[in-house]
Amino acid sequence: GENVEQHPSTLSVQEGDSAVIKCTYSDSASNYFPWYKQELGKRPQLIIDIRSNVGEKKDQRIAVTLNKTAKHFSLHITETQPEDSAVYFCAASIGAAGNKLTFGGGTRVLVKP
Amino acid sequence: DADVTQTPRNRITKTGKRIMLECSQTKGHDRMYWYRQDPGLGLRLIYYSFDVKDINKGEISDGYSVSRQAQAKFSLSLESAIPNQTALYFCATSDPRTGIGETQYFGPGTRLLVL
Repeated sequence: GENVEQHPSTLSVQEGDSAVIKCTYSDSASNYFPWYKQELGKRPQLIIDIRSNVGEKKDQRIAVTLNKTAKHFSLHITETQPEDSAVYFCAASIGAAGNKLTFGGGTRVLVKP
Repeated sequence: DADVTQTPRNRITKTGKRIMLECSQTKGHDRMYWYRQDPGLGLRLIYYSFDVKDINKGEISDGYSVSRQAQAKFSLSLESAIPNQTALYFCATSDPRTGIGETQYFGPGTRLLVL
């Protein structure tokens, strides 16, 4: 089955700096790659996603890039703010087979003021 | 607002007890999922259901069972709880009509402690 590796497991950045989280996946048939944010004590919520026919997608201060050849995708957060402190999860799924998501292990991001 | 709810929110039980975690949704979604979250391991899929008559095992189904009583309800049971089932459990839903790449909407979670 699909395996998703996520790095780093923890990331500490100064407010205003950029944060990058990287994920690799094993199944070349995967074609949907969402990112979820989980604030302390809260439920995971989708923040951005990308499909395999697109190489990059942006939404204000967050962006995701996908390299299908290398089977990796990344989340970029620019101009980090304290409210960006959370755990971020990447995931992958094979869309034609339904929506079974395989999640990475998570990255705990701490934005220091 | 349409939502996903879980009961109970916290549960303490003893080894060997049978317990049930319940999930309800008012989103009108056909697809429902149960995950467990452990530190450093992300979210791992236990069971999923794509409609009322459909039940599928996820990657860690051993020791768990589920029941899809209606489109809006999906229950997770631990037949004989053991300490390594101590975890945070999430229910989620999605709408297949959105095509490839459906957003999953999570409930607030149930924190389970097995003594």
